[in-house]
Amino acid sequence: ILNVEQSPQSLHVQEGDSTNFTCSFPSSNFYALHWYRWETAKSPEALFVMTLNGDEKKKGRISATLNTKEGYSYLYIKGSQPEDSATYLCALSRGGYQKVTFGTGTKLQVIP
Amino acid sequence: KAGVTQTPRYLIKTRGQQVTLSCSPISGHRSVSWYQQTPGQGLQFLFEYFSETQRNKGNFPGRFSGRQFSNSRSEMNVSTLELGDSALYLCASSLASLSTGELFFGEGSRLTVL
Repeated sequence: ILNVEQSPQSLHVQEGDSTNFTCSFPSSNFYALHWYRWETAKSPEALFVMTLNGDEKKKGRISATLNTKEGYSYLYIKGSQPEDSATYLCALSRGGYQKVTFGTGTKLQVIP
Repeated sequence: KAGVTQTPRYLIKTRGQQVTLSCSPISGHRSVSWYQQTPGQGLQFLFEYFSETQRNKGNFPGRFSGRQFSNSRSEMNVSTLELGDSALYLCASSLASLSTGELFFGEGSRLTVL
């Protein structure tokens, strides 16, 4: 069984605070690491897909890093806004046509 | 560009019945994958289709099946429904490989089994 762990499960931050979450995964046979944002009553939306050790990606105030050797990825949100409130999912794929395995997500609530 | 469309959005069935859910991917996308989400669980992978062929299957019983048509539209079927099948079913389409391509999700079909 492939375990993709996300921490914390949930967190509340004040508007303007910066925050980060962790996605941990087995490093063997790594192929790609995905991050998705899932707002309530909407569809999950892709943030990043990373494939190379040391990858860093950025989209506005959100950025992510990847360490495939030690099996983790960090997602950072700088200056959190209420519209950042969502569940953030990471997902791992392990090569070729292997299925994508999702973590259970980190639920973020930004308090105005 | 139209997004991923899932129908129906909501449905209620009783135990023992069967259900068919439909997913129309983004035009040009050949990969369609299906996921189940239940409270407290992450998205659980059901299966993936690419060019009408099932490429991978998750750990679900044989009551869960699917297919993909030549226009890339996909259906999933659940037979002999159980209470535990109540869930949100999401499909996602991708331009190429499930592994590296970002997934574009539909809004889901919420199934309630009574």
